[in-house]
Amino acid sequence: GAGVSQSPRYKVAKRGQDVALRCDPISGHVSLFWYQQALGQGPEFLTYFQNEAQLDKSGLPSDRFFAERPEGSVSTLKIQRTQQEDSAVYLCASSQLAGGDNEQFFGPGTRLTVL
Amino acid sequence: KQEVTQIPAALSVPEGENLVLNCSFTDSAIYNLQWFRQDPGKGLTSLLLIQSSQREQTSGRLNASLDKSSGRSTLYIAASQPGDSATYLCAVRPWGTGGFKTIFGAGTRPFVKA
Repeated sequence: GAGVSQSPRYKVAKRGQDVALRCDPISGHVSLFWYQQALGQGPEFLTYFQNEAQLDKSGLPSDRFFAERPEGSVSTLKIQRTQQEDSAVYLCASSQLAGGDNEQFFGPGTRLTVL
Repeated sequence: KQEVTQIPAALSVPEGENLVLNCSFTDSAIYNLQWFRQDPGKGLTSLLLIQSSQREQTSGRLNASLDKSSGRSTLYIAASQPGDSATYLCAVRPWGTGGFKTIFGAGTRPFVKA
């Protein structure tokens, strides 16, 4: 497909478990973003990659959150020792150019539920 | 600190009426403003992107205006249809912060009655 894909679409975790969420951006897109969306709210920025470089991680809520994009394409968001407040939809977006100031294309999201 | 507000959170209009959706932001130092549509349980679909130097963008029945000096953008959807019922989000990309954050409003959810 030509769009951004994310997997899994749904994830249920017990409190304290580690989870890994995957994002496949549009091929050739330089920029990649992760967002967290709570119910009824707009997405909140988590982190930004330009190719493999993580240039902004100011939105990560705690050191339990870690993201990587080792080859400048696929990205993984990892959450360690999940807590109930981590329950949300995690969205990934990519854009063609560097700098993050052009159009962003979003994936369908991963809905994480922490019990 | 940049904040984005969308009021009202929800509204109802009869089919065929024009939809007017509002977005306000507190700091005029932005690269661009983007409007998105989100259907329940789905990701965001980009509708229009307005660069800082532009005043409006149009695509089909959609028209978005940008007034940086007053910190406002308006999305107009002409001749609304039941299929236009979704959540519409606006987002600004601030500049001068040294980061790459995009800031979203909470969205407006119109319901178009057939």
